[in-house]
Amino acid sequence: DTEVTQTPKHLVMGMTNKKSLKCEQHMGHRAMYWYKQKAKKPPELMFVYSYEKLSINESVPSRFSPECPNSSLLNLHLHALQPEDSALYLCASSRIQGGSNQPQHFGDGTRLSIL
Amino acid sequence: RKEVEQDPGPFNVPEGATVAFNCTYSNSASQSFFWYRQDCRKEPKLLMSVYSSGNEDGRFTAQLNRASQYISLLIRDSKLSDSATYLCVVNSRDNFNKFYFGSGTKLNVKP
Repeated sequence: DTEVTQTPKHLVMGMTNKKSLKCEQHMGHRAMYWYKQKAKKPPELMFVYSYEKLSINESVPSRFSPECPNSSLLNLHLHALQPEDSALYLCASSRIQGGSNQPQHFGDGTRLSIL
Repeated sequence: RKEVEQDPGPFNVPEGATVAFNCTYSNSASQSFFWYRQDCRKEPKLLMSVYSSGNEDGRFTAQLNRASQYISLLIRDSKLSDSATYLCVVNSRDNFNKFYFGSGTKLNVKP
């Protein structure tokens, strides 16, 4: 069982829809991440939150909008997505300790399909 | 040049074989090293962290060579259940919020 919980597990949406992906962890981790993963490729970093502040945005299109309401929750708001955005979206968290990062723990992902 | 490079494989080995994967990294400020395992259509799962002195967990041994900037993973007595993609992940002290992933090495263990 994963300690990082993502919902929904699957999402099918049209290009004009607005939806949100949710991620929750209760391990006290203060770094949280969104990744996008296409088949046969490694995860590709999208956003990093550190102590609830956005610290890295990897030039992600504005149709993806992250939000970190508190230290346990991370959302990814989706609007006007394109078919090429279909992928597995992974959330991860890690403990920040002494200026370094402990290993990341991943949720089991949301499989997103854009029609 | 990529931050982290891995041989994509696939490595096709019989059950019981010993197999080794290498991963090279380009940033000398790298400080934390990990091996993850990812099954098809699943999330990456931490297999082991890699420590400077090397470390072992059952059939798995990880080594770090800072001088040559590579890490390795050795799997002994391969099981069918070891079939997966193995991802090398590196974190550096000059940007500790970012983890760099290798492209992954696919392992197929055959009966």
